[in-house]
Amino acid sequence: DGGITQSPKYLFRKEGQNVTLSCEQNLNHDAMYWYRQDPGQGLRLIYYSQIVNDFQKGDIAEGYSVSREKKESFPLTVTSAQKNPTAFYLCASSIFSGQGTDTQYFGPGTRLTVL
Amino acid sequence: DAKTTQPNSMESNEEEPVHLPCNHSTISGTDYIHWYRQLPSQGPEYVIHGLTSNVNNRMASLAIAEDRKSSTLILHRATLRDAAVYYCILRDRGRDDKIIFGKGTRLHILP
Repeated sequence: DGGITQSPKYLFRKEGQNVTLSCEQNLNHDAMYWYRQDPGQGLRLIYYSQIVNDFQKGDIAEGYSVSREKKESFPLTVTSAQKNPTAFYLCASSIFSGQGTDTQYFGPGTRLTVL
Repeated sequence: DAKTTQPNSMESNEEEPVHLPCNHSTISGTDYIHWYRQLPSQGPEYVIHGLTSNVNNRMASLAIAEDRKSSTLILHRATLRDAAVYYCILRDRGRDDKIIFGKGTRLHILP
């Protein structure tokens, strides 16, 4: 089945530690995205990538880093510099036509808790 | 980016139609109107999108005002599985394809 996988589903980390969240897609999509969602809030864009080896900061990139070495993979690292990392993290992908019509497909999310 | 305004929450009875409104008074001529929904503890899923004409698909219908300053997502016969947060989003042709999610409308379905 084609889709987006995120792992792990739940992640616990101690304060001061870096942690990497995995996102893989087999939809052959060029564009991939990372969002953060806090309780009762909408999604906020962290980073996005429209092509391999290139990525752009979103609205809340501070304290996060990404890489895009392969088309199907877009891992997100939450660094110790992120002051409030506890949140629900969602990865998405889409084709990129620039026509305003592209559908984003989302993974199941990773719930990160900092202890 | 043009913004949208939605009610924070709505209630509807099961098996009745639901009309979810969205205001977008600053919409530009090239903005598409998209709707996504997010079920509890899941990622959002695409529902429908349109530009000027009303649109129908298996999930819902999208009614777009003639001046395009507002739109309505219509669920023809709500079920308990339709309880979710519904997001109305504008996406511009030619932009870098970011989606800006607001807080959306939380839809409660009463059995």
